[in-house]
Amino acid sequence: DADVTQTPRNRITKTGKRIMLECSQTKGHDRMYWYRQDPGLGLRLIYYSFDVKDINKGEISDGYSVSRQAQAKFSLSLESAIPNQTALYFCATRGQENTGELFFGEGSRLTVL
Amino acid sequence: AQKITQTQPGMFVQEKEAVTLDCTYDTSDPSYGLFWYKQPSSGEMIFLIYQGSYDQQNATEGRYSLNFQKARKSANLVISASQLGDSAMYFCAMRLMNRDDKIIFGKGTRLHILP
Repeated sequence: DADVTQTPRNRITKTGKRIMLECSQTKGHDRMYWYRQDPGLGLRLIYYSFDVKDINKGEISDGYSVSRQAQAKFSLSLESAIPNQTALYFCATRGQENTGELFFGEGSRLTVL
Repeated sequence: AQKITQTQPGMFVQEKEAVTLDCTYDTSDPSYGLFWYKQPSSGEMIFLIYQGSYDQQNATEGRYSLNFQKARKSANLVISASQLGDSAMYFCAMRLMNRDDKIIFGKGTRLHILP
C-alpha cells in the first residue's frame, strides 16, 4: 500500500459543484502539503499544515479550503469549482528532519467542465 | 520574495552524454534546502537529491550531482551518462527553514534523451 494515498484519483465535475480531495498518510509525518500542477507552471503550493491546529496558506489559496482532520488526514475542498481549477493535484508529507524530502501521493486529476 | 527559476523548458540530449539542468533561486533567508525531483510520464514524483545551504560539499547520489554555487544562487542538477529512462520532467525546489517552512517549486524542465 502507498504511504500517501489520494482519493479520488480522477474526477470530472461541473462548474459550481463542491469537490473534496482527500489525502491520508501512514508515514507518521506531521507536515502535509497540497500542490496543484499545471503544464508550464510547475507545482504551486495551495495550503500546508504542521499539525491539526496549524494550517497555512500557500501561493494560490484563493478558491480553496482545507481541513486537517487528524495527523494522518488532510483534505482539500473546492467550494464552488470553476474550469481554471482543472489541474493535477498532489498531496505530500514531510517529517521534521532538516533534510527531509517531500513524499508525494499519486495525484488527483480534476477536470471542471 | 522567494522564488525558483528554471530557464530551460525543454532539452534534448544524446544518450550517454552528461546533462546539466539549470536552477536559480532567490531568498534572503540564510538557511534553506534545495531539492530536485523527477516526474516520469507516469506522473509520480521521485526525489533525487538534496543540498543544504550550509553544506560544504556538493551533494551526489549515484549518477546525480548537485552543482551548488551559493554566491550565484544556483543549484544545477548534473546527470552523468544519461540513459533513455532519464527522459522526464525535472523540478527544482527550495525549502525555507524559517517559521513558514514552505517548499516551493520551479516550473520544471522536460528532458528528452535521444537514442
